[in-house]
Formats: sequence, structure tokens, C-alpha cells
Amino acid sequence: AQTVTQSQPEMSVQEAETVTLSCTYDTSESDYYLFWYKQPPSRQMILVIRQEAYKQQNATENRFSVNFQKAAKSFSLKISDSQLGDAAMYFCAPLRAQKLVFGQGTRLTINP
Amino acid sequence: GAVVSQHPSRVICKSGTSVKIECRSLDFQATTMFWYRQFPKQSLMLMATSNEGSKATYEQGVEKDKFLINHASLTLSTLTVTSAHPEDSSFYICSAGTPEKLFFGSGTQLSVL
Repeated sequence: AQTVTQSQPEMSVQEAETVTLSCTYDTSESDYYLFWYKQPPSRQMILVIRQEAYKQQNATENRFSVNFQKAAKSFSLKISDSQLGDAAMYFCAPLRAQKLVFGQGTRLTINP
Repeated sequence: GAVVSQHPSRVICKSGTSVKIECRSLDFQATTMFWYRQFPKQSLMLMATSNEGSKATYEQGVEKDKFLINHASLTLSTLTVTSAHPEDSSFYICSAGTPEKLFFGSGTQLSVL
């Protein structure tokens, strides 16, 4: 079974600063997608960023970027200029056999 | 963007009754929908893959007779929790779209008394 490890159950950051959330995974596939999802208190799942494994360039979406290390099977999320609205649970989710497998999640708190 | 509507958002039922949850894709056709379950402070666990016009595919450990899935049209999938018990109390979420780009419903909080 595929495992996804988010080793930081909780993280906190000062508003306007940068924080990095870690994720490692295992897979036997050579081409796949990786996702970070955000779940705020409303519990609505929101796509933050997507990375295609065959692309060497790290994905970026405004203040969100990833550090994708394919050989190490590492997929970390960097949030720059943190805002109060970034407070949420963040889930790393590789796509395996056309199904998303979610990590345990990291609860991010933003300190004003 | 594409929207997935899920109803009801919250339901309370008595033990032994059945509850139906609907998941609709509002502006696109979804041949495949996914159903997840999320316990408090835990991650999302895939329960089953709903396929339009055919039987659902259940993940290991999920009772197909307890969690009935029907995907009768390209825009609607339903999850029925049959003979619900307190241990079935959970947050249920559906999603639709391609695996590379999924849209999630807003979830249903089921509480079984």
C-alpha cells in the first residue's frame, strides 16, 4: 500500500513570514501527479497546487510553491507571506492508480 | 469553475435508519465520482469509486452492503448508509472530475444517535 507521511502534525508561523510543510511518499509509478489540498474550518477541500512528476520544474501558484524531489520522493509546500486566511489543515496527496491518497495532514496556525 | 454540490450538509438520524447523501456535478458530466470518509482530526479515507452505469468499486475494508452507492446519471451519485449505527457517525465527502483535477463537495456531517 502506498504511504504518505506528513511528519509535522502542527505548524505555526507569524503572519507575513514563510513556512514549509513537508511530505514524503512512496510509489512504484514513474509518472504521476502530486497535490496539496487545504481544508479550512469550513471543511471544504481546496486545491492549493499540483505537480506533475515528469516535470522537473517546481510548480508555483502565487504565494505557494513546492520543492519536488523525485528521487527522494519528497514533496514539500512553501507558503510565502503567510496570511491569516492560510490557517487550515493541509493535506499532501499523491495520485496512485487514479486515486488520491491523503497524508495525515498538518494543521497550520497563523499568528497575527 | 466546476462545482460539485453535496446534500444534505448535516443529518441526524436514529440508530437503525438509513440515510441518503447526494452528490451532483453542476456544470460538467462526471462518469466517475469518489466518496470519502473523514473522522474528527483525521485524514480523508477513500471509501469507494462510483462509476456511472456500473457497480461501484469499494476500497478494502468498506462494507458494500452498508454503504450503497448508486451512480444512475452523469451528474448524480448517491451514498446510502443503511441501518446506520453510532460508529457510522462521520464526515462524508464526495468528489468528481478527472483524477488530475478533482472538485470536492462541501461534505455531509452524519450523526447517528
